[in-house]
Amino acid sequence: DIQMTQSPSSLSASVGDRVTITCRAGQSISSYLNWYQQKPGKAPKLLIYAASSLQSGVPSRFSGSGSGTDFTLTISSLQPEDFATYSCQQSYSLPRTFGQGTKVEIK
Amino acid sequence: QVQLQESGPGLVKPSQTLSLTCTVSGGSISSGSYYWSWLRQPPGKGLEWIGYIHYSGSTYYNPSLKSRVTLSVDTSKNQFSLKLNSVTVADTAVYYCARTETLLPFDSWGQGTLVTVSS
Repeated sequence: DIQMTQSPSSLSASVGDRVTITCRAGQSISSYLNWYQQKPGKAPKLLIYAASSLQSGVPSRFSGSGSGTDFTLTISSLQPEDFATYSCQQSYSLPRTFGQGTKVEIK
Repeated sequence: QVQLQESGPGLVKPSQTLSLTCTVSGGSISSGSYYWSWLRQPPGKGLEWIGYIHYSGSTYYNPSLKSRVTLSVDTSKNQFSLKLNSVTVADTAVYYCARTETLLPFDSWGQGTLVTVSS
């Protein structure tokens, strides 16, 4: 199994802040890295696929980068609706695996 | 826009079998390129992929659960199902069904259903 490790596990930020979350894979996964946003009691929502491709309908303040083993999700200007948990997931090999999640909280 | 909806008992006794069904609407489960997945999320924890099934019946199970999981598909009803046997309290989680393709993300999800394992 490919282990996915996110950092930090949680962070506090203010509206308007630039936020960066990192995800590291236990082996190279090329660009087969996806990011999801999850709010309490809701299903995950796909934000970014293939490391840097924005899913249709997702605001452009979300962006992704990286390849190989190191990846980044950036929110350029945090909005009130962005307070949530963000998870990375590799689709390079089976079984599909997820990071443990990063909770973005209001400062 | 495809939609997925989980259904099944919310309470299962230890050692029994957890059974859930996912109904797909707005698209055919027999679309050749899609794989239909089950995932779960224990309270306060991260997501775990259980496995997936293709409409042809081919399956892949997460090795961590393989000995206890069976997935099946009913193309006539546009549904696929999960059976997890010999459950324990550790299987208490929100269970999701989702759609994916090879090398691609989970792009459509059900709303999730909480299954509690308790006597």
